[in-house]
Amino acid sequence: DQQVKQNSPSLSVQEGRISILNCDYTNSMFDYFLWYKKYPAEGPTFLISISSIKDKNEDGRFTVFLNKSAKHLSLHIVPSQPGDSAVYFCAASAKVSGSRLTFGEGTQLTVNP
Amino acid sequence: NAGVTQTPKFRILKIGQSMTLQCTQDMNHNYMYWYRQDPGMGLKLIYYSVGAGITDKGEVPNGYNVSRSTTEDFPLRLELAAPSQTSVYFCASSYSGFEQFFGPGTRLTVL
Repeated sequence: DQQVKQNSPSLSVQEGRISILNCDYTNSMFDYFLWYKKYPAEGPTFLISISSIKDKNEDGRFTVFLNKSAKHLSLHIVPSQPGDSAVYFCAASAKVSGSRLTFGEGTQLTVNP
Repeated sequence: NAGVTQTPKFRILKIGQSMTLQCTQDMNHNYMYWYRQDPGMGLKLIYYSVGAGITDKGEVPNGYNVSRSTTEDFPLRLELAAPSQTSVYFCASSYSGFEQFFGPGTRLTVL
C-alpha cells in the first residue's frame, strides 16, 4: 500500500527552465509534507515543507504547492540549474502517527546545461 | 557540528552473519530513525526512537533490532543476515520529528 507516490521516475529539463516534480498521496490524515533532495552517495537533505493549512510555500527558487482536494503536491524549481540535478523525494506525515514520515519513491531530476 | 555520522560506509556480510550499524548525532535531537533504501524505491522506516530508552517499530522491522541508551547513539543490529537485507541504510535525527537530518548512509551487501 503505497501511500505516497511519485509517478515519474525521471525528469529532464534545460537549464533556466522550470522543473515541476509531482507527488500524490492517498492518506487523508497526512497534514504535513516535505521535499528532500539526494545526491549520489549522500544522505537526503531537507529542502522545503508545507503544512496542510497552506496551499503554497516559497523559499528562493523553490515553491511547493498543495492541493488537498486532489491529494496532490508539486515542487517547482525556477530557474533550474545543473546543480539541482539530484533525486527528489516527497514525504508526508500525520499527527496521529507522531514523528514518522512516509516517503515516495523519488524522481531523478537532470538539468542539462 | 558533525551532524549525523554513520559507520561503516560499506560492508559485505555472508548469509547468517551479524553486525551492528552505528549512528551518532551531536545535535541533541530526541528523535532518531533508521531507514533502508532499495534501488528505485523510497526510504522505508525500520525503527525509530523518540528519546533515550524508547524505541518503536517502523514499516519493515523484521530481522533488525535497535537500542537507545543515550541521546546521541542509535545502533541498528542485524541478526542472521539475509540477501534481502542488501540495501543502503540511512540513519536520521530530528528536533521536531519532521525535518530530519540524515547521515551519509551505509551500503550493505549480503552474499
